Amino acid sequence: QKEVEQNSGPLSVPEGAIASLNCTYSDRGSQSFFWYRQYSGKSPELIMSIYSNGDKEDGRFTAQLNKASQYVSLLIRDSQPSDSATYLCAVNVGTYKYIFGTGTRLKVLA
Amino acid sequence: DVKVTQSSRYLVKRTGEKVFLECVQDMDHENMFWYRQDPGLGLRLIYFSYDVKMKEKGDIPEGYSVSREKKERFSLILESASTNQTSMYLCASRTGGANTGELFFGEGSRLTVL
Repeated sequence: QKEVEQNSGPLSVPEGAIASLNCTYSDRGSQSFFWYRQYSGKSPELIMSIYSNGDKEDGRFTAQLNKASQYVSLLIRDSQPSDSATYLCAVNVGTYKYIFGTGTRLKVLA
Repeated sequence: DVKVTQSSRYLVKRTGEKVFLECVQDMDHENMFWYRQDPGLGLRLIYFSYDVKMKEKGDIPEGYSVSREKKERFSLILESASTNQTSMYLCASRTGGANTGELFFGEGSRLTVL
């Protein structure tokens, strides 16, 4: 069964620090990878998508993909209390099939 | 910006009632999805529609049906609600040009079945 694994956390980091969130996936054929942020009681909001090996930066966020090792990570620089949320990793494994991890809860301490 | 709108944010229904959840997107996306999200289980796909009047079953279609009469609108129907359908329901859309593309979610509909 195709899986996406995330540490559930909580991951606690002080304000201003770098938060590092990790995700591993089982399907070697996966082509596209996504990070979503979800505040409590709200719906997932797309932060980053990444399709090729390496780093992709967008503001304070950097997504890293390593297909050989089957992991994707999200770095949040200068973490703010407003970044406190659950971060979902999602992997596309087919035409309309996305596998979502259960998320890592991040707490940024002021 | 992509806008996906779910008409009902919170619903409380009785067992056996018929429930309609509506979703509308304004970006002319071909593909639309219905997921449910439960604690510890993540997001699970209920149904997918790749075009008007076209649909595919997802992982957990039992007890649900869908309707896509217009490109922008995708409805989820619970024919006879049961307590185990209490959940957060999420609609999503994406452009059909890239089968591996980004999903954009609506605000969610939290359904409680008593």
